Amino acid sequence: EVQLVESGGGLVQPGGSLRLSCTASGFNFGSDNMNWVRQAPGKGLEWVSYISSSSNTINYADSVKGRFTVSRDNAKTSLYLQMNSLRDEDTAVYYCAKRIALVGYYAMDVWGQGTTVTVSS
Amino acid sequence: DIQMIQSPSFVSASVGDRVTITCRASQGIYNWLAWYRQKPGKAPELLIYPASSLQGGVPSRFSGRGSGTDFTLTISSLQPEDFATYYCQQTNSFPLTFGQGTKLEIK
Repeated sequence: EVQLVESGGGLVQPGGSLRLSCTASGFNFGSDNMNWVRQAPGKGLEWVSYISSSSNTINYADSVKGRFTVSRDNAKTSLYLQMNSLRDEDTAVYYCAKRIALVGYYAMDVWGQGTTVTVSS
Repeated sequence: DIQMIQSPSFVSASVGDRVTITCRASQGIYNWLAWYRQKPGKAPELLIYPASSLQGGVPSRFSGRGSGTDFTLTISSLQPEDFATYYCQQTNSFPLTFGQGTKLEIK
């Protein structure tokens, strides 16, 4: 079964840091490009970051650029999101999502269940 | 950045109804448009991509049309599991952007 499982969410104070993880199984993780997408409480979806299979292409939303860092360890079939200088507006459910494995296709066909990050004093 | 505007934001309908949701891009995106369904408390699921191609396992009551800037998602006969929120997303360029969502409620 193709599966993504996020972890690492929690309560953190403004200005603090948190590292999210996403563990993949059931597919060839090392060949697939990945994303982080978030959803603030009661709000819509916001794309956060993209990383290619070999980590040579990385993109960020302007809202997190300079504060968040995406990385991956293909040997551990894991995706990470290091979040620094957290703000109240970073409070959200964070999803990892796999890009469709076709050249030029950037939609996301497999999603994790999400991990909740709450930034509050 | 490419802005995606969905309409309507809310729609009320009954089981068996036909519903159409519209998504407009602020600039041309060819057919690089995805539709997702998100049930309450669950992760989004990909329905259609690109623009009019049904993903595997998605019921044929879902259909997508459009290219350039204007796109539609049609559900031909609503089922109870379709009462959810629907999002369009452009994948033409980074940053990838979503519409604000359309919440489909039971009348």
